[in-house]
Amino acid sequence: DAKTTQPPSMDCAEGRAANLPCNHSTISGNEYVYWYRQIHSQGPQYIIHGLKNNETNEMASLIITEDRKSSTLILPHATLRDTAVYYCIVRVALSDYGQNFVFGPGTRLSVLP
Amino acid sequence: GAVVSQHPSRVICKSGTSVKIECRSLDFQATTMFWYRQFPKKSLMLMATSNEGSKATYEQGVEKDKFLINHASLTLSTLTVTSAHPEDSSFYICSARASGGGTGELFFGEGSRLTVL
Repeated sequence: DAKTTQPPSMDCAEGRAANLPCNHSTISGNEYVYWYRQIHSQGPQYIIHGLKNNETNEMASLIITEDRKSSTLILPHATLRDTAVYYCIVRVALSDYGQNFVFGPGTRLSVLP
Repeated sequence: GAVVSQHPSRVICKSGTSVKIECRSLDFQATTMFWYRQFPKKSLMLMATSNEGSKATYEQGVEKDKFLINHASLTLSTLTVTSAHPEDSSFYICSARASGGGTGELFFGEGSRLTVL
């Protein structure tokens, strides 16, 4: 079972920031938070990941609460091409075997014109 | 980021035939690759973990004799759906992570849509 919970769907106006929440209250100390997205009929695309510090890259920002029980993915200026299902996953980072990426249902983000 | 390529992207076959899907890591070596299956409007479900040079590890409920996995090199894993039936129609996705380092992110292929008539 996925160790995360996300809202099933969200809408966002084009050009505005999209804030996607994720709860992971049972996260372990050595587990990272990963975010992926899947555009219709494509494979998942890596967005960002983090352990406890906030992270930012060219695609998004990841804000992790101090207790690490939840996080928020921020798309600063959403475009129509950001419409996708967004998955939040927790996993130990550097294990080659064993724990894999378990996908929950994710959040279906619709960016509206 | 790293590139994982799948082939074919779409395949249509008759019931009873076998179909092979290839997954290649194009710019990195992958000791481990994962095969997922996704039905319409559902999330990805892990089918098996493919380990280079050894037998694949299958998830509970996945028939190893039906879904043959071969990971013969550090850049190639194949999934063969044997004696395919209409209920095997699905979107099959592979993923891989770089061996010996990196920060653990998985890179996914584009997916292969199988339709069994």
